Amino acid sequence: ELKVEQNPLFLSMQEGKNYTIYCNYSTTSDRLYWYRQDPGKSLESLFVLLSNGAVKQEGRLMASLDTKARLSTLHITAAVHDLSATYFCAVDMEYGNKLVFGAGTILRVKS
Amino acid sequence: DVKVTQSSRYLVKRTGEKVFLECVQDMDHENMFWYRQDPGLGLRLIYFSYDVKMKEKGDIPEGYSVSREKKERFSLILESASTNQTSMYLCASSSWMGYTFGSGTRLTVV
Repeated sequence: ELKVEQNPLFLSMQEGKNYTIYCNYSTTSDRLYWYRQDPGKSLESLFVLLSNGAVKQEGRLMASLDTKARLSTLHITAAVHDLSATYFCAVDMEYGNKLVFGAGTILRVKS
Repeated sequence: DVKVTQSSRYLVKRTGEKVFLECVQDMDHENMFWYRQDPGLGLRLIYFSYDVKMKEKGDIPEGYSVSREKKERFSLILESASTNQTSMYLCASSSWMGYTFGSGTRLTVV
């Protein structure tokens, strides 16, 4: 059974600081997603990572994937208040047939 | 713009009521899913379906059932709602290209 562990579960950051969210998963998979969720809203897809060594960047967020270590990271550079949200990683077991989520990281950026 | 539409954003139901949560997608996707979201637990899969009239249990199916009579519609049913089913419910559909989520239904059972 696939398990996805995400840490930390809660992250309080000062504006301008850097930090990393970690996502470990227990079995091989086809794809890994990172999502953002604002309070009361649905999920917004941030990144899809397909292969070992994949790195994607959008603004102050960068995601990477190490399939051998079964680890993905979401790195936040020079955080700003607008990045405050809940971030989820999710592992796709069979190309669209099942998505297993981590518990989510609540990010609060303080000015 | 492709969509997954959940019929209600907010619902308040009484304990013991039968509750229907509706989800419709317009992308001709084969796969549809119902997730439940609770703080600190992420999204947990309740049921999923890979085809019309087909359903499979997810990780937490107890107290729920589903119906998929048409390809575009996937309904989640709470046969007798209980307070521990108060939660946010998210529907999704997928193809090999990826997943699309609905906007969610926040259900409160009183």
